[in-house]
Amino acid sequence: DAGVTQSPTHLIKTRGQQVTLRCSPKSGHDTVSWYQQALGQGPQFIFQYYEEEERQRGNFPDRFSGHQFPNYSSELNVNALLLGDSALYLCASSWGGGLQPQHFGDGTRLSIL
Amino acid sequence: GIQVEQSPPDLILQEGANSTLRCNFSDSVNNLQWFHQNPWGQLINLFYIPSGTKQNGRLSATTVATERYSLLYISSSQTTDSGVYFCAQGGSEKLVFGKGTKLTVNP
Repeated sequence: DAGVTQSPTHLIKTRGQQVTLRCSPKSGHDTVSWYQQALGQGPQFIFQYYEEEERQRGNFPDRFSGHQFPNYSSELNVNALLLGDSALYLCASSWGGGLQPQHFGDGTRLSIL
Repeated sequence: GIQVEQSPPDLILQEGANSTLRCNFSDSVNNLQWFHQNPWGQLINLFYIPSGTKQNGRLSATTVATERYSLLYISSSQTTDSGVYFCAQGGSEKLVFGKGTKLTVNP
């Protein structure tokens, strides 16, 4: 039973570039949430996708966008990268859109030079 | 919005010792989870515990929803228990995380 898988594991970009991160949910899960974790902090909610729509969004600018595909996998896109976007990006999956435990992938570590 | 506070922020133990980590939250709980983040950054589910008590080996957790707190107990700690322990509270969508308790278990 595959867990949540994220790709790539590490990524280095420069300021102003764009990046796409990918997530495949745990088998049987239909809901994907994205979180950003800066060094020494707890994860911060970016947004959640359910039934291919964004259900809720955290306090992140429009440079952060996402998508969910019919097979429930998801992408996180970040445009016009800033140094402050350097962080661990975590994807979590759950079933039924909420109130179920969320299971996390190993994350993508993004470094902006 | 939801606020989650964890204590203590740092904890250093000798192997074999017991510990209690606390999580206070500001809103009525629908979803309360405890996680362990290991030194490689992996966030591992420990408990889904919106209320009551659960045990898993040397770890147990209790949530008292009416008083808005949860406790994580670690008994007979091992060096592999080192890392950061997060609690997170959620409504119907997002989880709000505390700042974590950094646990160091020395041999």
